[in-house]
Amino acid sequence: AQKVTQAQTEISVVEKEDVTLDCVYETRDTTYYLFWYKQPPSGELVFLIRRNSFDEQNEISGRYSWNFQKSTSSFNFTITASQVVDSAVYFCALRNAGGTSYGKLTFGQGTILTVHP
Amino acid sequence: DAMVIQNPRYQVTQFGKPVTLSCSQTLNHNVMYWYQQKSSQAPKLLFHYYDKDFNNEADTPDNFQSRRPNTSFCFLDIRSPGLGDAAMYLCATSRTLDGPSTDTQYFGPGTRLTVL
Repeated sequence: AQKVTQAQTEISVVEKEDVTLDCVYETRDTTYYLFWYKQPPSGELVFLIRRNSFDEQNEISGRYSWNFQKSTSSFNFTITASQVVDSAVYFCALRNAGGTSYGKLTFGQGTILTVHP
Repeated sequence: DAMVIQNPRYQVTQFGKPVTLSCSQTLNHNVMYWYQQKSSQAPKLLFHYYDKDFNNEADTPDNFQSRRPNTSFCFLDIRSPGLGDAAMYLCATSRTLDGPSTDTQYFGPGTRLTVL
């Protein structure tokens, strides 16, 4: 069975601080995909990144960066110089590939990030 | 430039009164999904359509039905809403079900359902 754990329920930071959101996953499959989504107060889930299990290269996009480590089954997300607009719920998700897989995402419970001015 | 559109954004219905939520997409994606998200919880998949093929999650109540009359539209019907069905309902699409570059799901803004 698949499982995604986001141990941090809520994080509160002051603007311009760096913040890291943790994500740990469990799967028996050797091929899988990991995702991060942002859900602002408006409710829409905004896709941020997808990472394939066979590509452990870390990625940076502006103030966002992702650290994927298969050895520890972690896919952590760092926001550098946080801004008030980063305040949202962030979900990490896992999807297996191949076989009977049909695109079902397994979500973590989400981390509520609040950035104070 | 909205790609996944949900109407209405807010829906109020009465206990037991049927309600329909609407989703449309401009991405021409093959797959459309419906998720239920209750307060402070992760989204929970209800069902999905791959083209016209309907796939129900094992634990989705019979009270929830879906229709997909064409590629662009998908509807969620709640036949007899209960108080426990109050939630955010999210529609998502993906190009295919299983492909390394085509399986990312894109979500709409959601419909928040209130049951009185």
